[in-house]
Amino acid sequence: DAKTTQPNSMESNEEEPVHLPCNHSTISGTDYIHWYRQLPSQGPEYVIHGLTSNVNNRMASLAIAEDRKSSTLILHRATLRDAAVYYCILRDTGGGADGLTFGKGTHLIIQP
Amino acid sequence: EPEVTQTPSHQVTQMGQEVILHCVPISNHLYFYWYRQILGQKVEFLVSFYNNEISEKSEIFDDQFSVERPDGSNFTLKIRSTKLEDSAMYFCASSGNILAGGPRDTQYFGPGTRLTVL
Repeated sequence: DAKTTQPNSMESNEEEPVHLPCNHSTISGTDYIHWYRQLPSQGPEYVIHGLTSNVNNRMASLAIAEDRKSSTLILHRATLRDAAVYYCILRDTGGGADGLTFGKGTHLIIQP
Repeated sequence: EPEVTQTPSHQVTQMGQEVILHCVPISNHLYFYWYRQILGQKVEFLVSFYNNEISEKSEIFDDQFSVERPDGSNFTLKIRSTKLEDSAMYFCASSGNILAGGPRDTQYFGPGTRLTVL
């Protein structure tokens, strides 16, 4: 899987939007962009994924650049419960049940 | 909502002892995984399992490790002779809804088992 680059940490205030960036300049045409998060003392949790078009779900939105070399996870109104490490992971659509490759992610701090 | 469960939540063992970590994946999933996370470090993939055999494994998953799906609902990770460096959180995950999904689908993680080797 191709490599991603994320800031080590970000800080935001409660009830404000948060934009978490991810760079993936070596992304291939068949790579999906996945986001997972890990709340303190818990296992990773799926957030959202996309291929080319922007995606929305109940947790977040994913904005994908036109050249697909970067993407942004958007939390529209952060709460204290959104404080977690957020991981941007590329996954090829090819076969095989290989595992996810986690980087260090972005540690999101939410201030009340 | 279905979830992955893991037992025990915390396992303490002496170096050299065998441990078995237990997982119950989501019932209609086909693909099963083990990951570990040493304190303060990244989550690392260990092994994936499909159709009663190992599908992929990482360099970490050496001969000391084995996995099994003994009864169609449980998925276990065995460490034959534990070392101090095996101390970590171990996460089980599953994916691939039998009705519509595939191996590259969303993975659902359990809460983890904290293994402490003394």
